[in-house]
Amino acid sequence: DAGITQSPRYKITETGRQVTLMCHQTWSHSYMFWYRQDLGHGLRLIYYSAAADITDKGEVPDGYVVSRSKTENFPLTLESATRSQTSVYFCASRISGTDTQYFGPGTRLTVL
Amino acid sequence: DAKTTQPNSMESNEEEPVHLPCNHSTISGTDYIHWYRQLPSQGPEYVIHGLTSNVNNRMASLAIAEDRKSSTLILHRATLRDAAVYYCILRDAGSSNTGKLIFGQGTTLQVKP
Repeated sequence: DAGITQSPRYKITETGRQVTLMCHQTWSHSYMFWYRQDLGHGLRLIYYSAAADITDKGEVPDGYVVSRSKTENFPLTLESATRSQTSVYFCASRISGTDTQYFGPGTRLTVL
Repeated sequence: DAKTTQPNSMESNEEEPVHLPCNHSTISGTDYIHWYRQLPSQGPEYVIHGLTSNVNNRMASLAIAEDRKSSTLILHRATLRDAAVYYCILRDAGSSNTGKLIFGQGTTLQVKP
């Protein structure tokens, strides 16, 4: 189905492990975003990308790494997971020249 | 960044109109006002946006004050499926190329049958 998908939907990991969250969109949107949402709070921007091979930091980038070798994929890697990174992670995309962002269903990550 | 202020929560009865307020007294002239909503256990979804004039679409209406320091999202007939957190967001004026959205706490809307 067309749209924006995230995998896995749920992940439990341990402190210090590397974790990669995947985001895939079928629209060929230029821009892609990663947000985190902690319990009872709004979303905070981690990283964004304007196009393949172009990425930039958002509000809370520390502890995260992104890459974008293909337009449709925007993986987010936690190089050494910490308990403070327990959160729900949302990926989003938008068409260049518009403001509307389309969000994925989210990945619930628990770091023990 | 310009900031928005919304009530933490509101209640409505099913099939009645709902007016969700948002204050943004420091809005700049080029900031668009966006509304997104987040249903339980889902990602946010776009509702509506505007600059100066009132806007209507199939989901809702957006009423913008003449001085643009406040706006109101109007759901004409609330349904149980409209129960969600509603976010009023100003498009970051310093990031017109990226379209970054700065989410606040939002308003949790409860709809009673």
